Amino acid sequence: DTEVTQTPKHLVMGMTNKKSLKCEQHMGHRAMYWYKQKAKKPPELMFVYSYEKLSINESVPSRFSPECPNSSLLNLHLHALQPEDSALYLCASRRAPRDTSNYGYTFGSGTRLTVV
Amino acid sequence: AQTVTQSQPEMSVQEAETVTLSCTYDTSESNYYLFWYKQPPSRQMILVIRQEAYKQQNATENRFSVNFQKAAKSFSLKISDSQLGDTAMYFCAFMRGGANSKLTFGKGITLSVRP
Repeated sequence: DTEVTQTPKHLVMGMTNKKSLKCEQHMGHRAMYWYKQKAKKPPELMFVYSYEKLSINESVPSRFSPECPNSSLLNLHLHALQPEDSALYLCASRRAPRDTSNYGYTFGSGTRLTVV
Repeated sequence: AQTVTQSQPEMSVQEAETVTLSCTYDTSESNYYLFWYKQPPSRQMILVIRQEAYKQQNATENRFSVNFQKAAKSFSLKISDSQLGDTAMYFCAFMRGGANSKLTFGKGITLSVRP
């Protein structure tokens, strides 16, 4: 299995809703990432998990709450979002935080989120 | 801090022809990696090609090759025999070596392959 799987593919939520995005990989990668991507723009890093611990939070608002229950799973919990949070949310993984290979990141197909 | 610059927002190429996408970067690091990612309308970010800074030889992957000019901090992507499936947004990216390093992306370029 060489994939990063994200669910759901599409999500529409109201500003008072609580929802979660899920990301799963079974490649044994120990670094996992959440990115936010607006249309025609590059991905912006949100969070980094290294060995299941949060290592980087790029000053993301608290209405986004990441969670890494185990080495294969990464969640992003959403609450009280704003319309401007509508975007493509990409998950990525990498072999290890100290991976010195040049394999880069493996990305999922993303969740297209619309906040109404 | 690292910066990655893709100055061309859009390009178009005829099917079967060759096209070159430009990328420049700025860094003070000596150990780093460079990547080209492709993002088709299906949204998945796909790794096209990668280059280690310490390697002088340019990377190649089938129809894709790079021209890595380390002194000029330039990393262009050449696509030969363009195919309709190459239509996508292409991002140049930089990553320094070492722990907890992050990908720094350029703004991207939209490539359209015409039939």
